[in-house]
Amino acid sequence: EAQVTQNPRYLITVTGKKLTVTCSQNMNHEYMSWYRQDPGLGLRQIYYSMNVEVTDKGDVPEGYKVSRKEKRNFPLILESPSPNQTSLYFCASSLQAMGPQHFGDGTRLSIL
Amino acid sequence: DAKTTQPTSMDCAEGRAANLPCNHSTISGNEYVYWYRQIHSQGPQYIIHGLKNNETNEMASLIITEDRKSSTLILPHATLRDTAVYYCIVRVVGGTGFQKLVFGTGTRLLVSP
Repeated sequence: EAQVTQNPRYLITVTGKKLTVTCSQNMNHEYMSWYRQDPGLGLRQIYYSMNVEVTDKGDVPEGYKVSRKEKRNFPLILESPSPNQTSLYFCASSLQAMGPQHFGDGTRLSIL
Repeated sequence: DAKTTQPTSMDCAEGRAANLPCNHSTISGNEYVYWYRQIHSQGPQYIIHGLKNNETNEMASLIITEDRKSSTLILPHATLRDTAVYYCIVRVVGGTGFQKLVFGTGTRLLVSP
């Protein structure tokens, strides 16, 4: 089954403790992206990647890092999480730059 | 970036057609209109997209006006599972051509028995 898988689905952690949210897709898509969703602010793009080793900032990249060492994986790294990064995070992938994006089920992060 | 305007909420009876409007009066000639939906807090789901012609797939139909300043998503026979927030998005291209999706607040569709 074609899918985008995120882990973990839920995480409660404390300020400053490094964490990684993994994202994996099995559709051989070149394009991948991370979004965060906050009440009243809609979905905002954090980072995106157009291929292996090619990444760029989205609208809200501060406090996040990404890497794309393999085509299928696009982890989101929070080196020193802070409470303002408490949010619902989505990973997405697409085959083409303008193609439909396929989203994972989301990761709900709470930073205390 | 072309902005979209959608009603905050709409109701529809189960089995009837749901017609969701979207205004995008500043859309450029080469910008596409995309529709996604989000059920509860699940990941957004792609529905359909189009440039100027009307489009239909197994989920819905998309009607774009001739001047492209507005469009309507049609769910021909709404079911309770179609209750969701529907987002109308005009394609926004990132600096290197990647399709960055900018989601607004969308239309909350409630399908009732």
